[in-house]
Amino acid sequence: GAVVSQHPSRVICKSGTSVKIECRSLDFQATTMFWYRQFPKQSLMLMATSNEGSKATYEQGVEKDKFLINHASLTLSTLTVTSAHPEDSSFYICSAKAGELFFGEGSRLTVL
Amino acid sequence: GEDVEQSLFLSVREGDSSVINCTYTDSSSTYLYWYKQEPGAGLQLLTYIFSNMDMKQDQRLTVLLNKKDKHLSLRIADTQTGDSAIYFCAEGEGGKLIFGQGTELSVKP
Repeated sequence: GAVVSQHPSRVICKSGTSVKIECRSLDFQATTMFWYRQFPKQSLMLMATSNEGSKATYEQGVEKDKFLINHASLTLSTLTVTSAHPEDSSFYICSAKAGELFFGEGSRLTVL
Repeated sequence: GEDVEQSLFLSVREGDSSVINCTYTDSSSTYLYWYKQEPGAGLQLLTYIFSNMDMKQDQRLTVLLNKKDKHLSLRIADTQTGDSAIYFCAEGEGGKLIFGQGTELSVKP
C-alpha cells in the first residue's frame, strides 16, 4: 500500500531554535497533506492542511507564523516549528490521501 | 463543534474478545474509522465503515454502527498480546478527521 514517511523520527532542540520536519509520500503524489499534533496520552488534533503550490490552511488556534508549512512538490510537505519552546514538545504526525488516508510514523519533538 | 469520545482504558485476557466503544456527535460523516497506534509509532488504519451500514466484519474485527445513538464499536475476537496498542475512532471527510482520545488496550497473557 501507499507509504508516507516522516523525518526525523525524533529531534531534540534548544528553546528558541527552529526545527524542520519532513513528510514524504513515497509511492504516490499528494496534492494535499495534513499535519496533526498529539500530546502525550491525548488524541490527535488537526493543525493544518498543506496544499501543493499554495498556502496552507490552518485550523483555529494554530499560529501560522509559528508553524510554517511548505508544500513545494507533490511528494513533500515540510513543517517548521519556529522559535520552539518547551510547550511545543509533542508528537507531530502527517498524513496524505491515496484512496484511504495514510499516516507517517510521526516525529517526536522535544524542546529543552 | 464535533466531538468524539472513547473510554481511556481496556484490559482483557489473551484469547478473550475486546470491545472498544466510541460515541460521536457529527451525524453527517460519510465514513467512521478505527485506527491502531503502537508505542512511538504513527497510525495504522484498521477498518472503516460506511455510514449507511450497521455492521462490517473483517477477519477478527467487527465494527458495529448505531447511527441513531451515534455509537460505534470495535470488537476484536481472540485478542492477542500483539493487539496491545491504543485504538482511535475517528470521523470526518477527506483528510480532516476528528479523533477520539484513544482507548489503551492491554492484553494480559
